[in-house]
Amino acid sequence: QKEVEQDPGPLSVPEGAIVSLNCTYSNSAFQYFMWYRQYSRKGPELLMYTYSSGNKEDGRFTAQVDKSSKYISLFIRDSQPSDSATYLCAMSGTSGSRLTFGEGTQLTVNP
Amino acid sequence: SQTIHQWPATLVQPVGSPLSLECTVEGTSNPNLYWYRQAAGRGLQLLFYSVGIGQISSEVPQNLSASRPQDRQFILSSKKLLLSDSGFYLCAWSAPTGGFYGYTFGSGTRLTVV
Repeated sequence: QKEVEQDPGPLSVPEGAIVSLNCTYSNSAFQYFMWYRQYSRKGPELLMYTYSSGNKEDGRFTAQVDKSSKYISLFIRDSQPSDSATYLCAMSGTSGSRLTFGEGTQLTVNP
Repeated sequence: SQTIHQWPATLVQPVGSPLSLECTVEGTSNPNLYWYRQAAGRGLQLLFYSVGIGQISSEVPQNLSASRPQDRQFILSSKKLLLSDSGFYLCAWSAPTGGFYGYTFGSGTRLTVV
């Protein structure tokens, strides 16, 4: 069993929809949680960063962490065609330790 | 500010030929450095990581090797490429200590072995 599970999709939604992307994990030591966005033929870029449990909001993006359920989510409100990309979750246990990545979810927002 | 450079962007190589991909980081000292491979539509596979000059850890035994001749330089090599070495290769760096803000990735090299 993988330490981090992420549905690879693909996920296709109409423009303006609310998108929910999720990851589950098994390692209770994880406390740093990240979401990366990767456009086609580009390197991943850090989108959201959360430490421990709770929510974090940045514009149209909201990251949620539920450590009790070992479940993290990324919500995209008012999705745009420019949000079409692969989204990878990533997490680690301590500052400076290596990240464990999910497989990535491919998202397409249709105009 | 910190930047990461990775080249070349695209490479087509025949089977059995050597490989050298280079990655350099600017604006930081003693970074942790990583090489990843990403197959089409798949996740990131960690190949090598380094916490200092000459210190290389291999995650997956294979046809590739890595070296770190300078603090901010990381090189991925192969003596003889296989068809299965095709993929998207990504270099990344992270801060060694004190505060954790994830990895910063380079723009990637798309390698096609023919």
